[in-house]
Amino acid sequence: NAGVTQTPKFQVLKTGQSMTLQCAQDMNHEYMSWYRQDPGMGLRLIHYSVGAGITDQGEVPNGYNVSRSTTEDFPLRLLSAAPSQTSVYFCASTSLAGGLYNEQFFGPGTRLTVL
Amino acid sequence: GESVGLHLPTLSVQEGDNSIINCAYSNSASDYFIWYKQESGKGPQFIIDIRSNMDKRQGQRVTVLLNKTVKHLSLQIAATQPGDSAVYFCAETDSWGKLQFGAGTQVVVTP
Repeated sequence: NAGVTQTPKFQVLKTGQSMTLQCAQDMNHEYMSWYRQDPGMGLRLIHYSVGAGITDQGEVPNGYNVSRSTTEDFPLRLLSAAPSQTSVYFCASTSLAGGLYNEQFFGPGTRLTVL
Repeated sequence: GESVGLHLPTLSVQEGDNSIINCAYSNSASDYFIWYKQESGKGPQFIIDIRSNMDKRQGQRVTVLLNKTVKHLSLQIAATQPGDSAVYFCAETDSWGKLQFGAGTQVVVTP
């Protein structure tokens, strides 16, 4: 059981480039989400998904796209990277069992630098 | 808008002493409050949570207190160890998934 995995660990992009951050979980969790963490700050929600085929925006969605074609995977796409997107990105997942709050599991993060 | 924030950005504590980390929240609709620990270069790790209908919950060496009257949350760590050095975040949610995080408190354990 690998939990939540993210790739790559580090990435450097030039302004305007596109890329996809990968996230996968093997816990059969319905709910998956992406957060960004800027230096000295807490995590902010970018996008989330409650199941395959369903996604929604979080607090800071601009400049990011997501899709959820399978339960396991939840990739985050940057279509045209900007320096303001330099951050550490965390993926998280949780079970929706019981319709109540359950513990969220976080991946190790992807450190992205946009030049 | 509603926010979750922390009173102290850095807490220095001597090994063996108890630590208290504080957090203020402003969303009265939040139903769960969670404490996370984040070590350098790693993702947040769940420590303990508490539901809004409780005022205290204990775990292994940790206790979370919730005071809804003043909208205050605290995390107490007993007998602080060097491995407790990390950034601690409080978070709140009024639903099952969307977490709102505070800015974090850096805990430094000194020998």
